[in-house]
Amino acid sequence: AQSVAQPEDQVNVAEGNPLTVKCTYSVSGNPYLFWYVQYPNRGLQFLLKYITGDNLVKGSYGFEAEFNKSQTSFHLKKPSALVSDSALYFCAVRDNGNYGQNFVFGPGTRLSVLP
Amino acid sequence: KAGVTQTPRYLIKTRGQQVTLSCSPISGHRSVSWYQQTPGQGLQFLFEYFSETQRNKGNFPGRFSGRQFSNSRSEMNVSTLELGDSALYLCASRIESSSYNSPLHFGNGTRLTVT
Repeated sequence: AQSVAQPEDQVNVAEGNPLTVKCTYSVSGNPYLFWYVQYPNRGLQFLLKYITGDNLVKGSYGFEAEFNKSQTSFHLKKPSALVSDSALYFCAVRDNGNYGQNFVFGPGTRLSVLP
Repeated sequence: KAGVTQTPRYLIKTRGQQVTLSCSPISGHRSVSWYQQTPGQGLQFLFEYFSETQRNKGNFPGRFSGRQFSNSRSEMNVSTLELGDSALYLCASRIESSSYNSPLHFGNGTRLTVT
């Protein structure tokens, strides 16, 4: 079965500092990995995905994520945080060996960027 | 291109009633998934429809049902509402491709409150 863990409920970072939101996953096959962001009273917005290839994936709004197969991790990063990045972040996985399998989401990490 | 549209945005219902939520996917997207989001349980998968057929189902009681129409629009129905059904219900669509790695695109959700 697929699963996703986001070990931190909350991450606080000062504006201008780098940020990292952690994600680890478990799948039986090779993973498709995704990051989403949710602002208050809104749906989830797609940020980036890892399918195959380069382990560093670049996405929207200056975010990037690093895939590490040996550690089964897919951490979200940004070199310089903005106050407007404050939101709820979700990591998701899909098993690429199982066509039609649904996405599994982590519990979410609340990011607060302090001015 | 218009995004995923969910109606209504807000609903207040009484215990024991039933409710129908509607979702219009992005044009060309034939897969529609439904998720329930609550503070305690996070994002939980309800079901996925593809070409008018339920392809996947989460672990929810039979009171939760859905359907998809020939134009890919989807509805979900909850009968005999309980207080615990209060949640944000999110619909997401995706385009199907042979590599099945396309992301989900979410609507802004329907906030259901059961009193």
